[in-house]
Amino acid sequence: DGGITQSPKYLFRKEGQNVTLSCEQNLNHDAMYWYRQDPGQGLRLIYYSQIVNDFQKGDIAEGYSVSREKKESFPLTVTSAQKNPTAFYLCASSNRRDPYEQYFGPGTRLTVT
Amino acid sequence: GEDVEQSLFLSVREGDSSVINCTYTDSSSTYLYWYKQEPGAGLQLLTYIFSNMDMKQDQRLTVLLNKKDKHLSLRIADTQTGDSAIYFCAASETSYDKVIFGPGTSLSVIP
Repeated sequence: DGGITQSPKYLFRKEGQNVTLSCEQNLNHDAMYWYRQDPGQGLRLIYYSQIVNDFQKGDIAEGYSVSREKKESFPLTVTSAQKNPTAFYLCASSNRRDPYEQYFGPGTRLTVT
Repeated sequence: GEDVEQSLFLSVREGDSSVINCTYTDSSSTYLYWYKQEPGAGLQLLTYIFSNMDMKQDQRLTVLLNKKDKHLSLRIADTQTGDSAIYFCAASETSYDKVIFGPGTSLSVIP
């Protein structure tokens, strides 16, 4: 079955540590996205990538980094510079044609203490 | 830039119709979407409407678009307890990298 996987489902880290969230898709989609979800704020775009070896900052990129070395994979690193990293992180992918439906992974809940 | 607004909560009785409303600011939005998120899960596309349409029906779902007022609504007929979820309105221009999501409406269905 095609889809997007994110791992792990729950992640706990101490303040000051970097942490990497995994996102893999087998939908053959060119575009991939990372969103952060906080209660009552909807989804905010962190980074997106339209093609391998290329990515752009979204609305809240500070404190995060990404790479896109393979079409299937778009890992997100939450660095110690991110002030409020505790959140639910969602990865998505889409093809590059109408209607640009985004397919979402199940999410990773990160808790930093 | 684009801003998408929704009310945060809606409660309905099982069997009634639910209507979730959304407003957006950018008149150049080409596609408008409704996504559903069940607890602890990712989002799933329910339906979408192209900006040159006024209405789209898909089984129990009816989407109405008023372009003049930049208002989108999702009607769920015969609401069931399984419809309890957060519903996100989203808008995009003709570009896959510019989808703006609203804050989500949490729908509670009372048995």
